[in-house]
Amino acid sequence: DTAVSQTPKYLVTQMGNDKSIKCEQNLGHDTMYWYKQDSKKFLKIMFSYNNKELIINETVPNRFSPKSPDKAHLNLHINSLELGDSAVYFCASSRPLLAGQETQYFGPGTRLLVL
Amino acid sequence: DAKTTQPNSMESNEEEPVHLPCNHSTISGTDYIHWYRQLPSQGPEYVIHGLTSNVNNRMASLAIAEDRKSSTLILHRATLRDAAVYYCILGDYGQNFVFGPGTRLSVLP
Repeated sequence: DTAVSQTPKYLVTQMGNDKSIKCEQNLGHDTMYWYKQDSKKFLKIMFSYNNKELIINETVPNRFSPKSPDKAHLNLHINSLELGDSAVYFCASSRPLLAGQETQYFGPGTRLLVL
Repeated sequence: DAKTTQPNSMESNEEEPVHLPCNHSTISGTDYIHWYRQLPSQGPEYVIHGLTSNVNNRMASLAIAEDRKSSTLILHRATLRDAAVYYCILGDYGQNFVFGPGTRLSVLP
């Protein structure tokens, strides 16, 4: 049973298009995240949600809009895609960050290529 | 910016122990030390974490210096499957993880 799943696995699209990436976790966690890993392989937090509410937005352009329909899902919608959006996007989940010890569980990633 | 520093890369022979160091000289009293690894073309996966005492689990051991300004991840017998990028991260109350570039571990047969 996959704990954190993402769809699609690969996404190739043209500049200017709008696309969505879906994430689901079956771990019963309250907190979910989106990370971006660029071509230099740096992994950077984009958003974190706790119980469907946004708690952190790490200076991400407002073309990126996360949506959490319920605690188990956190989708990422990207408007007007740009070349620089090409990256691997990872979803993750954890119990709430009440202390600093919560383990994060990552999805397999969505490889986005903008042409 | 990452609050930890790690060597860019390390190499090990298969079936030998590997010691991966991490410096975190500005660690606060409430920071937990986490280690994750990322296998090629996969998402990061949890390895181990600790606060003050050394920790062991089925994957690895974590040795934490007495002043907590450094730690070492120990893989007791490296296998080819352990080749990955290893990240040392500090986790505190309500704070998101900040991933640095990590250490790329190569395991030679």
